[in-house]
Amino acid sequence: DTEVTQTPKHLVMGMTNKKSLKCEQHMGHRAMYWYKQKAKKPPELMFVYSYEKLSINESVPSRFSPECPNSSLLNLHLHALQPEDSALYLCASSQVLPGTGGPQYFGPGTRLTVT
Amino acid sequence: GENVEQHPSTLSVQEGDSAVIKCTYSDSASNYFPWYKQELGKGPQLIIDIRSNVGEKKDQRIAVTLNKTAKHFSLHITETQPEDSAVYFCAASDGYGGSQGNLIFGKGTKLSVKP
Repeated sequence: DTEVTQTPKHLVMGMTNKKSLKCEQHMGHRAMYWYKQKAKKPPELMFVYSYEKLSINESVPSRFSPECPNSSLLNLHLHALQPEDSALYLCASSQVLPGTGGPQYFGPGTRLTVT
Repeated sequence: GENVEQHPSTLSVQEGDSAVIKCTYSDSASNYFPWYKQELGKGPQLIIDIRSNVGEKKDQRIAVTLNKTAKHFSLHITETQPEDSAVYFCAASDGYGGSQGNLIFGKGTKLSVKP
């Protein structure tokens, strides 16, 4: 099973709201990722967690706050977003393979609209 | 850092024809090359991948070839079907030697298969 689940599927929020995106995997993967994808563009890496520790933050604004409560769960907390933050937010997971890349499995994404 | 170029950006073929998408990468240390298929409104789905110690890999109607010397890799889809219509992304692991190699994506190819 290579399933990564994400909730909610769609989210509309105002610029003053606080909301959270959730991601879950049960493949025993110890690396989890948040990506942002704009229309007709490839996914852009935002955060990487490895063994529940934040290992990479690709200069993402502080209005996005990731959290990894355990090895199966990944959250993305959203606060004071801007309309340009509207996008598809993708979660992915992979095994941790020292010194080499490996397959990342993506969830279906959360379509976020900021009004 | 790694840079991945993908061509063409759009590709239209008749059902039953073959489709070829090409990618080049810049970092000779990259060692893992996946291909993703993304249908409208869905997350990217891993369809095939190849490691740098292999020159070719096949899975039914799809195949990937890798030329390490020239630093390019290609996706080949034979006997195309309308359900192959999607956006295809190539990627390369940047292989920087950390606990996992992050993926650098090409800009995508929109494949349309006409019945």
